[in-house]
Amino acid sequence: DTAVSQTPKYLVTQMGNDKSIKCEQNLGHDTMYWYKQDSKKFLKIMFSYNNKELIINETVPNRFSPKSPDKAHLNLHINSLELGDSAVYFCASSLRNSNQPQHFGDGTRLSIL
Amino acid sequence: DAKTTQPNSMESNEEEPVHLPCNHSTISGTDYIHWYRQLPSQGPEYVIHGLTSNVNNRMASLAIAEDRKSSTLILHRATLRDAAVYYCILRDRGKHNAGNMLTFGGGTRLMVKP
Repeated sequence: DTAVSQTPKYLVTQMGNDKSIKCEQNLGHDTMYWYKQDSKKFLKIMFSYNNKELIINETVPNRFSPKSPDKAHLNLHINSLELGDSAVYFCASSLRNSNQPQHFGDGTRLSIL
Repeated sequence: DAKTTQPNSMESNEEEPVHLPCNHSTISGTDYIHWYRQLPSQGPEYVIHGLTSNVNNRMASLAIAEDRKSSTLILHRATLRDAAVYYCILRDRGKHNAGNMLTFGGGTRLMVKP
């Protein structure tokens, strides 16, 4: 069984569109995250969400918004897509204790035309 | 989170041990040392973590210097499947909330030759 699953795996769309990426975890974790990996391969945290507490990396534009319908899901909504949004987006989950490892999905490759 | 420094890349021969170094001279007393790796076209994968003592698991060993200012990830017998980018990350054990995020540096790209 896949522990952290993201859909879609690939997303190709045009500038200006609004899109969503879904993430689900079946590990019983209470904290979920979104990371962005750009073309230079640097991984950066975007959001962290735990029990209705949202921590936002201040560099993330407000066009990006995470939505959590329940503890097992943290979806990423992106409005008015820009060329610079092209990247691979990774979802992750963990238990809140800093000693616990984070489990990552396989990523969603977003390409903006 | 305190910063870590790793070599950009390393090479190893298959079936030989690999020692991946990490410097973290500004580590605080509450920081755990975590290692993750990222195989091509996959998400990062947890490898091992420790606080003060050396640690072993099925994937690797972690050797931590006595002053905790550096650590070494040891792969005992490298395989082609171990070719990946390895990240050394410090995590504050005092954080137990949604702020418990990972801060990735550039990592070390490990190449394994057959």
